[in-house]
Amino acid sequence: ILNVEQSPQSLHVQEGDSTNFTCSFPSSNFYALHWYRWETAKSPEALFVMTLNGDEKKKGRISATLNTKEGYSYLYIKGSQPEDSATYLCASNTGGFKTIFGAGTRLFVKA
Amino acid sequence: EAGVAQSPRYKIIEKRQSVAFWCNPISGHATLYWYQQILGQGPKLLIQFQNNGVVDDSQLPKDRFSAERLKGVDSTLKIQPAKLEDSAVYLCASSRETPAEQYFGPGTRLTVT
Repeated sequence: ILNVEQSPQSLHVQEGDSTNFTCSFPSSNFYALHWYRWETAKSPEALFVMTLNGDEKKKGRISATLNTKEGYSYLYIKGSQPEDSATYLCASNTGGFKTIFGAGTRLFVKA
Repeated sequence: EAGVAQSPRYKIIEKRQSVAFWCNPISGHATLYWYQQILGQGPKLLIQFQNNGVVDDSQLPKDRFSAERLKGVDSTLKIQPAKLEDSAVYLCASSRETPAEQYFGPGTRLTVT
């Protein structure tokens, strides 16, 4: 079983702060890396899917990068807002298309 | 398009009882996933269907858990008999193909007492 690690486990920031999280995954047999946002009492929502080394994706104030050779991805949030408070999950697909999720980073943004 | 539907949203049962969850994926999505998410952990894949065939059930505790996807559309996940450690959120997700962006349902929160 592959291991997907996320850090930090939780993060408390002030409104307006920029922040970033890390997702590390086994680089062998890599196929795709996903980021999801999971707000309390809602369903996980897809943010990005990345497949190529060096991929960078952006959606509003949130962006992500991918390094498949060393097996990590960063998620950045610029100017955090209280509505960004959620758990951010990353998931790795291997060549067999098995999906392995990390435990998530729980972000709290204080107004 | 309508999202992934799940029912019930909440269920409380005693240990050794049985329970079943239902999932209706997004129309046209060939792949359906059932995940178990225990508090403080990431979602763990229990079973993955491609149409009505099982692609991966390596982490499904087959002595007590079963799942089926009749006609390649709706799916049910059953636990019989339940144990205390089965208390978790059970998430259903679907995707157009494998692997691809997954669309999640609201989940079923199961409490086993």
